Amino acid sequence: IAGITQAPTSQILAAGRRMTLRCTQDMRHNAMYWYRQDLGLGLRLIHYSNTAGTTGKGEVPDGYSVSRANTDDFPLTLASAVPSQTSVYFCASKPEHGTGELFFGEGSRLTVL
Amino acid sequence: KNEVEQSPQNLTAQEGEFITINCSYSVGISALHWLQQHPGGGIVSLFMLSSGKKKHGRLIATINIQEKHSSLHITASHPRDSAVYICAVRMGGGADGLTFGKGTHLIIQP
Repeated sequence: IAGITQAPTSQILAAGRRMTLRCTQDMRHNAMYWYRQDLGLGLRLIHYSNTAGTTGKGEVPDGYSVSRANTDDFPLTLASAVPSQTSVYFCASKPEHGTGELFFGEGSRLTVL
Repeated sequence: KNEVEQSPQNLTAQEGEFITINCSYSVGISALHWLQQHPGGGIVSLFMLSSGKKKHGRLIATINIQEKHSSLHITASHPRDSAVYICAVRMGGGADGLTFGKGTHLIIQP
């Protein structure tokens, strides 16, 4: 693993199903984020975690939950998917010290039917 | 909430042309990021700047804090520069303090 890895890269899901998007980083970054990217709206923050054991809500948290059991992993769960959650999801991380640069995963394209 | 506006939304140019993408924001910031997203690909950080100018290869980013404006320039553009360029501003505090623009879709034709 190098950088941030997201899985799956693409998924089609029936409405009402539960889905977990996985995010793992090997850079020992404290802060991690989940964004969704929708056409015409840009990137919007769903949830964040400043350090292992803590999480917080972003701009569009409804319908999503996260956990941060350790530094490396930050999964995003849709408890009961709805079509409006069709989007491309990006996980990102940021080191505690440095320039504030964000490191992004490759994205997970989710389609809810 | 900071409003981030990018212009143009779409830009098509010929290989070799000098490209300028603009970003304006409404509230004072601590830093501004320029990101690049290739079609179907992930997002890569190009620059983070809080004043002045930065250069990396054929890319140049400038920021004018007083005018709340930043530009991203590409010299001697090449088809591989075709991507979406995203401006994001950091106000400090909060989850990550980043507000993103909607992106500029750049196509460089050979």
